[in-house]
Amino acid sequence: GESVGLHLPTLSVQEGDNSIINCAYSNSASDYFIWYKQESGKGPQFIIDIRSNMDKRQGQRVTVLLNKTVKHLSLQIAATQPGDSAVYFCAENSGGGADGLTFGKGTHLIIQP
Amino acid sequence: GAGVSQTPSNKVTEKGKYVELRCDPISGHTALYWYRQSLGQGPEFLIYFQGTGAADDSGLPNDRFFAVRPEGSVSTLKIQRTERGDSAVYLCASSRRQGAAETQYFGPGTRLLVL
Repeated sequence: GESVGLHLPTLSVQEGDNSIINCAYSNSASDYFIWYKQESGKGPQFIIDIRSNMDKRQGQRVTVLLNKTVKHLSLQIAATQPGDSAVYFCAENSGGGADGLTFGKGTHLIIQP
Repeated sequence: GAGVSQTPSNKVTEKGKYVELRCDPISGHTALYWYRQSLGQGPEFLIYFQGTGAADDSGLPNDRFFAVRPEGSVSTLKIQRTERGDSAVYLCASSRRQGAAETQYFGPGTRLLVL
């Protein structure tokens, strides 16, 4: 099957370790940010989101950090598992009636056993 | 409940042909979005609907691409005179309502190959 990870930055971590995936977004007017996980042959799956009035949000094993000063977003995954292997995309929505998401380039996360 | 569904899952066509791709959003979701994803890239926005009307079609690449949502539920993306460069995965997403902070849930996509 196809590989959505082709030509993407790759991050390889040991199973059980924590991983951090970084993303630089483009629009300083963006007010909503989302992380999606995409496995090969599947559509993007929502992981966690954050609004621009927050700088940190936690979910189950995941934390998103937002630094608006440098337009940087990160996704932290704790105690990585084999099922975490996928391509991770950050996406932003600038609002103002334009509700289509703008996606980043993606990072291919590989969990080593 | 059921997620977003898309048909067909794969479509192979010849250059110059016409294709239709279908999207069934999550029941009750009023906003529907189409994206296109090329190999190794993130999804790119094409068009979105609020109800039956196209609220933003700024992402459609040219006039060969058209989408409809006549009853405010199912949507069809139509591509005329297909070109090899149209080959990609076409993704559909839906959200409960329109809004910048509404979570968009994606379907599995239709993989289009134009020979």
